[in-house]
Amino acid sequence: DQQVKQNSPSLSVQEGRISILNCDYTNSMFDYFLWYKKYPAEGPTFLISISSIKDKNEDGRFTVFLNKSAKHLSLHIVPSQPGDSAVYFCAASTGNQFYFGTGTSLTVIP
Amino acid sequence: NAGVMQNPRHLVRRRGQEARLRCSPMKGHSHVYWYRQLPEEGLKFMVYLQKENIIDESGMPKERFSAEFPKEGPSILRIQQVVRGDSAAYFCASSPRPASQVTGELFFGEGSRLTVL
Repeated sequence: DQQVKQNSPSLSVQEGRISILNCDYTNSMFDYFLWYKKYPAEGPTFLISISSIKDKNEDGRFTVFLNKSAKHLSLHIVPSQPGDSAVYFCAASTGNQFYFGTGTSLTVIP
Repeated sequence: NAGVMQNPRHLVRRRGQEARLRCSPMKGHSHVYWYRQLPEEGLKFMVYLQKENIIDESGMPKERFSAEFPKEGPSILRIQQVVRGDSAAYFCASSPRPASQVTGELFFGEGSRLTVL
């Protein structure tokens, strides 16, 4: 059972434009949400997180939005840069486990 | 490099052999998590350990897989009698606090890629 879903396996965006990556979840008990970035042959690295008591968190070019009623999470990257090209995983936590989505491969075209 | 260290980075085994993957958490971290990434899939939770204790192994296959995190030394994920379906990237992560208190990130290693021939 996939409790965290990323329905878009890939996304291509022009440099300088906005990248929007989406994530849906099913478990209303999740209390923390995170985004990770992964380059090939490397481990995931933390990008940004948000608590369930908030609906927005911003860190430089990265903003995460949480819509609890829709059980939907999104990551906005603006402006997108070629170095942002990577696989992005959303994750949600409750208790002892972090549940990860299947990832969205972002390509930023120069 | 004070990050999470995993070895070996690449491991090739024949069917029926044993695979041992090691993970040294970041300095000061006593909580370790193992994840598996199958081709074209996301990261799947396997097990969460503290020093000398398995806290949550709900993601571990019931047979052939085991994990430990001894008082001294790295955490070890052991796969006995490997099959081709075990071929995957195995990632270890660590945190300084229990999972329920983690309000930030998990720190991941670079992964160990197991190939079963």
